[in-house]
Amino acid sequence: EDQVTQSPEALRLQEGESSSLNCSYTVSGLRGLFWYRQDPGKGPEFLFTLYSAGEEKEKERLKATLTKKESFLHITAPKPEDSATYLCAVTDSGGSNYKLTFGKGTLLTVNP
Amino acid sequence: NAGVTQTPKFRVLKTGQSMTLLCAQDMNHEYMYWYRQDPGMGLRLIHYSVGEGTTAKGEVPDGYNVSRLKKQNFLLGLESAAPSQTSVYFCASSRTVDRAMFFGPGTRLTVL
Repeated sequence: EDQVTQSPEALRLQEGESSSLNCSYTVSGLRGLFWYRQDPGKGPEFLFTLYSAGEEKEKERLKATLTKKESFLHITAPKPEDSATYLCAVTDSGGSNYKLTFGKGTLLTVNP
Repeated sequence: NAGVTQTPKFRVLKTGQSMTLLCAQDMNHEYMYWYRQDPGMGLRLIHYSVGEGTTAKGEVPDGYNVSRLKKQNFLLGLESAAPSQTSVYFCASSRTVDRAMFFGPGTRLTVL
């Protein structure tokens, strides 16, 4: 069974204090790993897709990386507006036509 | 370009009542999904569709039915609402299973 574990569950940072969020996964064959941002009361917003180990993608202060067992979302010099819940999800390539598994998310709070 | 829209935004039902949630997307996506999000449980897939006229069960399908008569619309029905169906419901769409999923703003449903 596919599993996605995100850590930490919650993270508090001071503005400008860089850090990383972790997403570890267990799948039979990774088809894609997705990062989303979710603000309170809103739907998840797509950030990145990573398909193979070694791949990296960047967007403003965010950088996502992927290994064979985990993905990191690095946040450089965060600002209060980066506060949100960050969700990781994976699709696997085995068997069924569709299979997407979400982690429970990391709640990031950036204090000014 | 509105993306994914959901109707209604909020709804309160009494146990045993029925209702239909409407999802519409204007991105010409083949895949559409219905998720529910509960505290501590993360996002869980209810039903999904891989194209017009098709539907399939997800992780938690009991008590729900869906229909996809038009490519741009995906309806979620509750025939006899139960308090356990109190949740936030999100619709999403994607071009294919391994491409980014775009979410709607959500429907907050309370069943008394």
